[in-house]
Amino acid sequence: KQEVTQIPAALSVPEGENLVLNCSFTDSAIYNLQWFRQDPGKGLTSLLLIQSSQREQTSGRLNASLDKSSGRSTLYIAASQPGDSATYLCAVFSYGQNFVFGPGTRLSVLP
Amino acid sequence: GAGVSQTPSNKVTEKGKYVELRCDPISGHTALYWYRQSLGQGPEFLIYFQGTGAADDSGLPNDRFFAVRPEGSVSTLKIQRTERGDSAVYLCASSSNLNPYEQYFGPGTRLTVT
Repeated sequence: KQEVTQIPAALSVPEGENLVLNCSFTDSAIYNLQWFRQDPGKGLTSLLLIQSSQREQTSGRLNASLDKSSGRSTLYIAASQPGDSATYLCAVFSYGQNFVFGPGTRLSVLP
Repeated sequence: GAGVSQTPSNKVTEKGKYVELRCDPISGHTALYWYRQSLGQGPEFLIYFQGTGAADDSGLPNDRFFAVRPEGSVSTLKIQRTERGDSAVYLCASSSNLNPYEQYFGPGTRLTVT
């Protein structure tokens, strides 16, 4: 059964810093991996989706990488802003299963 | 509609009562998913519909939980004899046949069982 973990659980940084969020999964037979953002009391917003055949995806200040063989993905946020404060969730879509989410990393960017 | 909508946004009920949570998917999306998110955790899969039928209900925790999608659009998650442990945010998502592995999420229903 697929299991997804995220490190760190929480992170607080000053505005302008570059930062990396980590996601690990136990079963490398995945179809895709997706990073979501969740604001308090809100639903999930998709940030980046990486297909299993891809190594990375970029959108603006966000870059996500995927190393399927080692069961890892990272989300890189450049020049962080207070508006980036939210919980970031990693989710893996595996063959024969449905989306399995990690517990999330709670990010605070201080002005 | 423009996105996935869920009603109510908040529901407070007493232990032992019956509740229904509603999800309106994006128009034309054939797949619909229900998740449960407890405080400090990621969403946990409950059930997946393809059209009107439940293609995978392996995530439903017990027989107090049931979901329907009679016309292949709106879905209702039903919880009988609610328990305090059922308190969570219930999220709904939908996806299209063109891109079945990209899900769009609603804002969720926060259920509190007192």
